[in-house]
Amino acid sequence: EVQLLESGGGLIQPGGSLRLSCAASGFTFSTYAMSWVRQAPGKGLEWVSAIGGGGDGTYYADSVRGRFTIYRDHSKNTLYLQMNSLRAEDTAVYYCAIHPQVAGSHFDYWGQGTLVTVSS
Amino acid sequence: DIQMTQSPSSLSASVGDRVTITCRASQYIATFLNWYQQTPGKAPQLLIYGASSLQSVVPSRFSGGGSGTDFTLTISSLQPEDFSTYYCQQTYTTPWTFGQGTKVEIK
Repeated sequence: EVQLLESGGGLIQPGGSLRLSCAASGFTFSTYAMSWVRQAPGKGLEWVSAIGGGGDGTYYADSVRGRFTIYRDHSKNTLYLQMNSLRAEDTAVYYCAIHPQVAGSHFDYWGQGTLVTVSS
Repeated sequence: DIQMTQSPSSLSASVGDRVTITCRASQYIATFLNWYQQTPGKAPQLLIYGASSLQSVVPSRFSGGGSGTDFTLTISSLQPEDFSTYYCQQTYTTPWTFGQGTKVEIK
C-alpha cells in the first residue's frame, strides 16, 4: 500500500524558513517523480514543485522559484521542500504526491498534507 | 501559463442525477488532462487521467472525455459519496495548473 506522510509544517514568521518532509513507502521510491501541491485555506489547488525519480530535473512554479528547493533522499525514501523567505501568501496545506513520470503525467497518490501558517 | 476554467463553479443535484462538469484550457493540451475529487479535510484523489482513462478502483459511473482545449467529467448517476469538489489539471506543460474547482452539493 502506497503511503505518503508529510511533516514539518507549523507557524512561522514572515521571512523565516521551514523544511517539509514527505516519508514514502509501499512503492519503489526511485521510479516515481514527486511533487508538492499546496492549497490555501478555502482555496483551490496550486502545483508548487516537482522532481524526477532519480532526483535529476527539478521544476518550480514562478511564485516559489528562488525561495523553495525540492530534493529527495533515496536512502531515507523521503522527499523534502526547503522553504525560505516565507510570505503570508505561502500559508497553505502542503501535499506531496507521486506521479509515474515528470512530464505529461497524473498524480496517483497524495499524502494527507501538512499545514504551514506564515504570520507574525 | 495555461489557464484552466471549470464550469459551473458549483451545482446542486440530487442522488441519481446525471452531472457534467466542463473544463476549458486556454491553449491546446492534447489529452494531458486529469480530474481529481476532494472531500473537505481530505487530500485530492485521482479519478480520471489522460482525459478519459479511469483510475483503478474508481466507479464506472465516472467518465471523462475531450481533447485539445475542451473536456468533460460526467457522473452518470450521482451517489451520496460523490458530493465533493472536483478539479481538472493540465500536465501538458509546466507550470501544471488546476481549474478553480466545481463544488457538487446536495439539492
